[in-house]
Amino acid sequence: RKEVEQDPGPFNVPEGATVAFNCTYSNSASQSFFWYRQDCRKEPKLLMSVYSSGNEDGRFTAQLNRASQYISLLIRDSKLSDSATYLCVVRAAGNKLTFGGGTRVLVKP
Amino acid sequence: DADVTQTPRNRITKTGKRIMLECSQTKGHDRMYWYRQDPGLGLRLIYYSFDVKDINKGEISDGYSVSRQAQAKFSLSLESAIPNQTALYFCATSEKGNYNEQFFGPGTRLTVL
Repeated sequence: RKEVEQDPGPFNVPEGATVAFNCTYSNSASQSFFWYRQDCRKEPKLLMSVYSSGNEDGRFTAQLNRASQYISLLIRDSKLSDSATYLCVVRAAGNKLTFGGGTRVLVKP
Repeated sequence: DADVTQTPRNRITKTGKRIMLECSQTKGHDRMYWYRQDPGLGLRLIYYSFDVKDINKGEISDGYSVSRQAQAKFSLSLESAIPNQTALYFCATSEKGNYNEQFFGPGTRLTVL
């Protein structure tokens, strides 16, 4: 079983719609959680951290469910520029990050 | 100007050749990492370094070696390239004490024929 699993998608989303997807992690000792964004053929970049109480950053909302060991990302009012692959990232002890395979989102006019 | 640079950006080589990928950073970060990315598998850590002369194996270090001769430079070598090392390679950096964010270079696309 992979340490961090994601639905690869693609999620085809009409512009202006809401899309949400999850990521599951296997290590119950995981301490920190993040969503990174990766545009096609580009480097990953931190989108947002995920806090226990849930957090928002503009149109993006992240949630953490420790009991079920998953995190989620919701994008409201999707823009064409939101088309990307979203990487779920988990940190256990130490500074090493474990990356999921990514969920591809395609926003269409 | 890019904070983390990688050279070359693309490379095609043959089985058995020795290849070196270079990474340089101007962020002043102590920590540097090498990852490879394969479709559907996410990024996997090859080696990482927390300081000059400090080298640590990641989850897939076999077939690779690294050198950290200066704070700003971290190089990855494939001593004898094989086709299953065809992948997208990323270098990343992070600040000491900040476990939350790594900054990635633009990537090197390596093809081993």
